[in-house]
Amino acid sequence: QVQLQESGPGLVKPSETLSLTCTVSGGSISTYYWNWIRQSPGKGLEWIGYIYYTGSNNYNPSLKSRVSVSLDTSKNQFSLKLTSVTAADTAVYYCARRTVVPSLAIDAFDIWGQGTMVTVS
Amino acid sequence: DIQMTQSPSSVSASVGDRVTITCRASQGIVSWLAWYQQKPGKAPKPLIFAASSLQSGVPSRFSGSISGTDFTLTINNLQPDDFATYYCQQGHSFPLTFGGGTKVDIK
Repeated sequence: QVQLQESGPGLVKPSETLSLTCTVSGGSISTYYWNWIRQSPGKGLEWIGYIYYTGSNNYNPSLKSRVSVSLDTSKNQFSLKLTSVTAADTAVYYCARRTVVPSLAIDAFDIWGQGTMVTVS
Repeated sequence: DIQMTQSPSSVSASVGDRVTITCRASQGIVSWLAWYQQKPGKAPKPLIFAASSLQSGVPSRFSGSISGTDFTLTINNLQPDDFATYYCQQGHSFPLTFGGGTKVDIK
């Protein structure tokens, strides 16, 4: 079955760029929407953005000026870059597959990575 | 943005109880709603899509319903494995947004 695994530095300095990679195994990345979601300590979930296998993106307006998500189909990976980070960006970052079935009103995250904690300090 | 308001924020219950969690959307989202269960240190687990469609492998004691812009997650005959935090998520429009969560703990 499809599995997702996040990787990247657990500590990032303020004002620098947070970079994470999600490796997709057990299936091809050349379909579906591939997303990043974060959860600040003790807080709820915030959708960051996605990349579609065609290369199109959509980002949360609250982060749009600082975020980019890219795709590497040769490695079956997608990546997140968040620039100019502050302590407010400290969170567990999840990568997740989003499945969309308009005829069934389904637009949800059906497979998640285990998450990776990133601290900005 | 569509705001998703969950209530209660926490509930204490016993094994065997029936628990009801509500999620209210700030505008109409038809049935574009999902429910997730999250345990400490783990990723959210999908439970229900399209407001009432149980995902594969999810016990039948979980159910979802809709009334206008109010969505309900019901857990019948609460089991020890069900103590967790539950989130709703709307898929109607961007940005995709989640409710603030409801923690179900042991009374």
